[in-house]
Amino acid sequence: EAGVAQSPRYKIIEKRQSVAFWCNPISGHATLYWYQQILGQGPKLLIQFQNNGVVDDSQLPKDRFSAERLKGVDSTLKIQPAKLEDSAVYLCASSLKRDNSYEQYFGPGTRLTVT
Amino acid sequence: AQSVAQPEDQVNVAEGNPLTVKCTYSVSGNPYLFWYVQYPNRGLQFLLKYITGDNLVKGSYGFEAEFNKSQTSFHLKKPSALVSDSALYFCAVRDNGQAGTALIFGKGTTLSVSS
Repeated sequence: EAGVAQSPRYKIIEKRQSVAFWCNPISGHATLYWYQQILGQGPKLLIQFQNNGVVDDSQLPKDRFSAERLKGVDSTLKIQPAKLEDSAVYLCASSLKRDNSYEQYFGPGTRLTVT
Repeated sequence: AQSVAQPEDQVNVAEGNPLTVKCTYSVSGNPYLFWYVQYPNRGLQFLLKYITGDNLVKGSYGFEAEFNKSQTSFHLKKPSALVSDSALYFCAVRDNGQAGTALIFGKGTTLSVSS
C-alpha cells in the first residue's frame, strides 16, 4: 500500500513570499490532517478535513494560511505571506476514519525555511 | 485541556539493555494514547496505541507500552535495545473533547543507543 505523499520535500523562500504544499493521502482515507512541526517541538495541528469538509481549523492562522481539499482526496496548504516563524516541517497525515481509535499515517513532510 | 508531557529530552542506553521512554498525559475523559517514532528526514511512524483493554500494549519492532491510569502514564519500553532504535520518539493523546480527532503530541524524546 502506498503511503502518504508530499511535495516538495524542501522549500526555501524569503519572507513575504508565498508557498504551497501538496499532499496525497493513502487511498480510501477520508480524514486528512496538516500539522506544523517546529524544530524541537512535537507536531501541532493546523487543520483537519473529513472528506472535503473542514472539521477543525481552530489553530490555523487564517490571516496567512489557507488549505483546501476540493475533491476529498488531494490537499494543498498555502502560506501567503510567509514570516520567519513559519520555518518548520509541514506534515500531512491521513486516517481511514474519523474515529478516535484509528491511527494516523504521516507523510515525509515538507521542510520550509523562510529567510 | 488535553496535554502530554515527555519529561526527558534524551535517553541514553547501551545496546542489549532495556529501555524506557516516559510519557504522562492529562485528559478530561478516557485517553486514547499513541507512540510514534521519527527517523531523520522522515515522517512519523506509528508504533502502538492504547484505546481500551489490556494495560500492556505490544507494538512494532518489539516495543511495548504500559498504560497506568492512576499515574496517568503511558511509558514506552523495550526489553533489549538495538542501535537501530536510535530515533526521536513522540507520545500523543487524542483530543476527544471537540469535533476534531487530531493528535496532541509531546515535545519528543531522543533515544540514543550505543554499541
